[in-house]
Amino acid sequence: KQEVTQIPAALSVPEGENLVLNCSFTDSAIYNLQWFRQDPGKGLTSLLLIQSSQREQTSGRLNASLDKSSGRSTLYIAASQPGDSATYLCAVDTGGFKTIFGAGTRLFVKA
Amino acid sequence: SAVISQKPSRDICQRGTSLTIQCQVDSQVTMMFWYRQQPGQSLTLIATANQGSEATYESGFVIDKFPISRPNLTFSTLTVSNMSPEDSSIYLCSASGGVSDTQYFGPGTRLTVL
Repeated sequence: KQEVTQIPAALSVPEGENLVLNCSFTDSAIYNLQWFRQDPGKGLTSLLLIQSSQREQTSGRLNASLDKSSGRSTLYIAASQPGDSATYLCAVDTGGFKTIFGAGTRLFVKA
Repeated sequence: SAVISQKPSRDICQRGTSLTIQCQVDSQVTMMFWYRQQPGQSLTLIATANQGSEATYESGFVIDKFPISRPNLTFSTLTVSNMSPEDSSIYLCSASGGVSDTQYFGPGTRLTVL
């Protein structure tokens, strides 16, 4: 059974700091891995999608990496801003459209 | 990309009643899904909404409690039946163009059952 774990559960950093969010999964047989952002009381916004054959994806200040063999993904946020404050969710597609979500990392960027 | 809207955005309901949540996608999509996010928790998949046929439910979720319709490629409904306070959650609709495609989410429906 696929399980997705995100560490840390919460993170508070000063503005401008570079940071890394971690995601691990127990079964390496995945189709893709997606990082989402969720603002309080809102839906999810897709940030980056990494296919199983890819190693990383970049969008602006965000970079996500995928190491299937070790069951790990990281989301790197460069030069963090207060507007980056949100919960970041990692989700793996195990095939058959079964997407398993991690519990999320709650990020707070202090101005 | 796909833009997804949900109605209502929130509701407060009495125990024993039912609520139907609507999900509209701005383009035709292959797959539509319904998730539940209980307070302080991550997302749990309720079911895959299949166009023109019965939804595919995940373990722990049944059609009598969460009937789902999907009459076409852009619209789906989820009904939460015979509600109890334990059903208080955010219910999210999502859509995807196909295998290994990005999943897009609606803004969610915040349900409170008294």
